[in-house]
Amino acid sequence: GENVGLHLPTLSVQEGDNSIINCAYSNSASDYFIWYKQESGKGPQFIIDIRSNMDKRQGQRVTVLLNKTVKHLSLQIAATQPGDSAVYFCAGRMDSSYKLIFGSGTRLLVRP
Amino acid sequence: ETGVTQTPRHLVMGMTNKKSLKCEQHLGHNAMYWYKQSAKKPLELMFVYSLEERVENNSVPSRFSPECPNSSHLFLHLHTLQPEDSALYLCASSQDRANQPQHFGDGTRLSIL
Repeated sequence: GENVGLHLPTLSVQEGDNSIINCAYSNSASDYFIWYKQESGKGPQFIIDIRSNMDKRQGQRVTVLLNKTVKHLSLQIAATQPGDSAVYFCAGRMDSSYKLIFGSGTRLLVRP
Repeated sequence: ETGVTQTPRHLVMGMTNKKSLKCEQHLGHNAMYWYKQSAKKPLELMFVYSLEERVENNSVPSRFSPECPNSSHLFLHLHTLQPEDSALYLCASSQDRANQPQHFGDGTRLSIL
């Protein structure tokens, strides 16, 4: 079956520290992954994506790592800021389907 | 501004009412989606349209009826809803299915009395 999940429902970090949010998936046929950020009262906002033929991709202050061997991906946020406080979702897609399977989300709390 | 606009932002309706949710995308995308987001549950895909044709077969009750008149607009017609249908309904669009992210609107918060 298809399953995408996140390891922790809540992650608390100190402002300025790096954050690492983890996600696991079960289906090795997943070929494309996306990270979204959702703030209160808003829809999910695209952060970064990665294809299964890559193991790392970097954006502005964010890095996504994909380990296909253990079916795990992570989102790293450098120098976490108060504006990074939100719920973060990973999503995976199988076999070029339209359907994204979403994880349950991790709430990131940034302590001042 | 996400490029995907949903109206209304909030809707309260009784179980016997008929209402419609509207979504418009200004991104030039050719695929549009409806999702349901309930508390403590992952986002659930409801409907997918590509080039105004419905694709993907997801089990959604017939009290939800989608309509896609063109590639920029998507509607969700609601009729005889149940209290468990109360949720945030999110619209998304994408360029196509080949490794392109879906971009979401801010949703319609629906409450069924």
